[in-house]
Amino acid sequence: EPEVTQTPSHQVTQMGQEVILRCVPISNHLYFYWYRQILGQKVEFLVSFYNNEISEKSEIFDDQFSVERPDGSNFTLKIRSTKLEDSAMYFCASSEAGGLQYFGPGTRLTVT
Amino acid sequence: GESVGLHLPTLSVQEGDNSIINCAYSNSASDYFIWYKQESGKGPQFIIDIRSNMDKRQGQRVTVLLNKTVKHLSLQIAATQPGDSAVYFCAEKRGGTSYGKLTFGQGTILTVHP
Repeated sequence: EPEVTQTPSHQVTQMGQEVILRCVPISNHLYFYWYRQILGQKVEFLVSFYNNEISEKSEIFDDQFSVERPDGSNFTLKIRSTKLEDSAMYFCASSEAGGLQYFGPGTRLTVT
Repeated sequence: GESVGLHLPTLSVQEGDNSIINCAYSNSASDYFIWYKQESGKGPQFIIDIRSNMDKRQGQRVTVLLNKTVKHLSLQIAATQPGDSAVYFCAEKRGGTSYGKLTFGQGTILTVHP
């Protein structure tokens, strides 16, 4: 069964550093998403991406965040200058047009 | 503002019992609802969904009930098994489609004792 994959599974970085989280969505999906989950809290929407542009973003997704689909298979989330409060699980999801969102296993980001 | 929340943060049941997990939502414009299961260290996994033009939908061992009058959603799991132990989230969406921003609730921890 096709699945969303994410790398790395765990990323440790120092405050102020840039990180790039990578996702490979399901191959025939057209819509891509990033969500995050701070430990013990609910999953929060960050951004959705369709047709090579952001279709919706949340208040969390400020100028420090950016997304890119650099080729036909990868979808990345970049955090330009990480803060302690960026520590969380970051989930990528993808869906077909009008379809269910399938989530990847997540990347645990730890900012020290 | 919009919110999706859960009544019970934890639920413990015995194997074989039926489980009911509840969710309240405040946005009457929500028209699509999903239940996700999240096991430790994994991403949310789809369980079942329901659109606002339905009151009930059944899957394998799971049933989702939607009461739009009181803005309440529930997930019923029949004959609960230890493998059902996880955090369960409801999520809602507006706009008539299943793609786009999902708003998640806080989650309920289900523990199934053998």
